[in-house]
Amino acid sequence: KNEVEQSPQNLTAQEGEFITINCSYSVGISALHWLQQHPGGGIVSLFMLSSGKKKHGRLIATINIQEKHSSLHITASHPRDSAVYICAVPETSGSRLTFGEGTQLTVNP
Amino acid sequence: SAVISQKPSRDICQRGTSLTIQCQVDSQVTMMFWYRQQPGQSLTLIATANQGSEATYESGFVIDKFPISRPNLTFSTLTVSNLSPEDSSIYLCSARQGARSGELFFGEGSRLTVL
Repeated sequence: KNEVEQSPQNLTAQEGEFITINCSYSVGISALHWLQQHPGGGIVSLFMLSSGKKKHGRLIATINIQEKHSSLHITASHPRDSAVYICAVPETSGSRLTFGEGTQLTVNP
Repeated sequence: SAVISQKPSRDICQRGTSLTIQCQVDSQVTMMFWYRQQPGQSLTLIATANQGSEATYESGFVIDKFPISRPNLTFSTLTVSNLSPEDSSIYLCSARQGARSGELFFGEGSRLTVL
């Protein structure tokens, strides 16, 4: 089973700050997912990445396959970015995913 | 890309009753999953919904309590039976195009409160 560790668990920032959320996993993977969960419970897939870096608006995700580590960055954070951010990786066999515990981000105006 | 419509978005139910949650995907998908998220916890996989056959349940989840249907490649239902307050959770439907890889799609979740 792939072990996933996310940090920090909770993060409070001021509007405009640069945010970094980290995710480490124990077993090599084909791809890693970053998800955003809104306060109402709905989940949006932000990124699926298997190497290098991806950017979408103010969000940037990077992955280092050798180090088994990924980061999610938010530039110029905004209160609407307040949500839980979750990384997920495939298990070593089958179709299941292992989820990190999530990072609760609060961005204050 | 796929859009998932999940309903109801929330419900309050009495102990001993059942609730059926529907999940509709706007395109055919290979894999559909049902998750439970208890307050303050991460997602726990209940089962993989298999088209035209019985769902594959995870350890700790049984068909009698969580019957699942998937009559085609775009639709699935999860029923939570004989409700107790411990069943109060968010239930999420998810889909993926590939068996082991591919972009993930999630419904908006169904927030269940059992009194």
